[in-house]
Amino acid sequence: DAKTTQPNSMESNEEEPVHLPCNHSTISGTDYIHWYRQLPSQGPEYVIHGLTSNVNNRMASLAIAEDRKSSTLILHRATLRDAAVYYCILRVVNTGNQFYFGTGTSLTVIP
Amino acid sequence: DVKVTQSSRYLVKRTGEKVFLECVQDMDHENMFWYRQDPGLGLRLIYFSYDVKMKEKGDIPEGYSVSREKKERFSLILESASTNQTSMYLCASSSRQGQGIPGRSGYTFGSGTRLTVV
Repeated sequence: DAKTTQPNSMESNEEEPVHLPCNHSTISGTDYIHWYRQLPSQGPEYVIHGLTSNVNNRMASLAIAEDRKSSTLILHRATLRDAAVYYCILRVVNTGNQFYFGTGTSLTVIP
Repeated sequence: DVKVTQSSRYLVKRTGEKVFLECVQDMDHENMFWYRQDPGLGLRLIYFSYDVKMKEKGDIPEGYSVSREKKERFSLILESASTNQTSMYLCASSSRQGQGIPGRSGYTFGSGTRLTVV
């Protein structure tokens, strides 16, 4: 059973904000929410992660719902280089920090 | 720069061959993982290892085995390659403790090996 669900694809115009949603209704109190992205012909790379509070870094922001059953990755100004598959992942601490991947959202950025 | 290195980017093998995919990490990570990635299915965990000589089955271990003789190296073995094992294979590593930063408990991935079995 998938631990995270995401839309298969989304589109955004260049230089506009993008909100990528993720549902993780079975999350437990100690599970972390991670986001990775995969550019063409590369392995996934870290974007951001959080536990309960919203998080910001130079790449993106992560907004976590109060009940933690959903989260949103926010790219503040999409660029063509942000076109990738974005994975929302649960890191389950009590299984040794194992990652549980969803099928990802393919983001297309339109010039 | 921390690295996970997979020995081949592209590989073509014949049905029935024994295939070895090698992965090496230089971060002294305890945990290592092998995934396969197929269109529409995302990343699926094949095997993982929490320590040298230890291995655990993931979600789809059938047709695969692994070897971890040294901490830095984790090998995926296809005992008798079949066409349905044509896929992108990704190796990852992470540290045991939970801090979520790449190079600590976040995962660091290799660039992948695209295997075609003909």
